[in-house]
Amino acid sequence: AQSVTQPDIHITVSEGASLELRCNYSYGATPYLFWYVQSPGQGLQLLLKYFSGDTLVQGIKGFEAEFKRSQSSFNLRKPSVHWSDAAEYFCAVGAWAGNMLTFGGGTRLMVKP
Amino acid sequence: DVKVTQSSRYLVKRTGEKVFLECVQDMDHENMFWYRQDPGLGLRLIYFSYDVKMKEKGDIPEGYSVSREKKERFSLILESASTNQTSMYLCASSSGTGSVNTEAFFGQGTRLTVV
Repeated sequence: AQSVTQPDIHITVSEGASLELRCNYSYGATPYLFWYVQSPGQGLQLLLKYFSGDTLVQGIKGFEAEFKRSQSSFNLRKPSVHWSDAAEYFCAVGAWAGNMLTFGGGTRLMVKP
Repeated sequence: DVKVTQSSRYLVKRTGEKVFLECVQDMDHENMFWYRQDPGLGLRLIYFSYDVKMKEKGDIPEGYSVSREKKERFSLILESASTNQTSMYLCASSSGTGSVNTEAFFGQGTRLTVV
């Protein structure tokens, strides 16, 4: 069975600092990997996705993620965090792009002024 | 823009009531999904559908049923609401298996409170 682990439930960073959110997955075949963001009271917005090819993928809002097959990881990064990035972030894995997704538990990001 | 619309943002229902959560998408997507979101647990799949009148159980179907009579609409039904079904419910849709480079689009969510 597939699973996703986000080890950090809460992370607090200062505005302007760099950010890395961790995601580890368990999946039997080549996974389709996603990062979604949820602002308070909102639905999920796709930040980026990985299907194949270049293991470093760029997304919206200045985010990027790196797929590392050997570590079963798909960590999300941003070089300089803005206060508007405060939200909850979810990593997800699926069998194909539009398929049902298995989500991690989420990481809540707080940004200090 | 793809739009997935959930009929209610907030609902308060009494224990034992029959509850309908409605979801409509406007992109002619074949696939539709219902997830439940709880703190620390992320999103968990309740039911999904790959075609009209088709439904499949997800990871946590107990206490729920679904209906898909039209392609654009996917309804989640709580036959007899219980307090442990108090949660945020998210609907999603996506293109069929032929579109491997698409992704799921989510509605705004319905926060259901059962009292």
